[in-house]
Amino acid sequence: KNEVEQSPQNLTAQEGEFITINCSYSVGISALHWLQQHPGGGIVSLFMLSSGKKKHGRLIATINIQEKHSSLHITASHPRDSAVYICAALRGNQFYFGTGTSLTVIP
Amino acid sequence: DTGVSQNPRHKITKRGQNVTFRCDPISEHNRLYWYRQTLGQGPEFLTYFQNEAQLEKSRLLSDRFSAERPKGSFSTLEIQRTEQGDSAMYLCASSLVLNEQFFGPGTRLTVL
Repeated sequence: KNEVEQSPQNLTAQEGEFITINCSYSVGISALHWLQQHPGGGIVSLFMLSSGKKKHGRLIATINIQEKHSSLHITASHPRDSAVYICAALRGNQFYFGTGTSLTVIP
Repeated sequence: DTGVSQNPRHKITKRGQNVTFRCDPISEHNRLYWYRQTLGQGPEFLTYFQNEAQLEKSRLLSDRFSAERPKGSFSTLEIQRTEQGDSAMYLCASSLVLNEQFFGPGTRLTVL
């Protein structure tokens, strides 16, 4: 069983919809990293957070360390948001990755 | 462009051959990680360096895999006697200690 679970695995949304991707983990961590991976493989860092909430443009990430849960929200989704979103939990000196949520935003 | 580069971007090799990949991290980053990613999966940890010291290796990592970071700058990952199961995307990431990671574009290895 993966220590980091993401849901849903796949998500299709209409342009403009509000999107939520969830990440839960089974062990204690010090921080959580949200990443975006486009077709072709490039991975881009979105957020790293250890408490509360962070916002960047249309993206919002929240975390509740005690409940072992984080969410990534995308407001006013756009087709260019189509990508795989991966969460990675930092425990000790290692990151443990979820398997990703594949998002497709349809115009 | 995240500032982390990897070479080559693609490598096709025959089973049994040795291959070497290179990663150039962001210059001020003291941490460098190697990961392997297969289709539909998240990155899987292989090893990491802090400066030139290799501090941790995955227990799943075969002894055919070796990595170096000789001067605390670039790193190489070598796979000896490649097997078809080694086919994957090999990703390098760099960071300051316990900060967000910046990923390179990856090296896609195909073992025939």
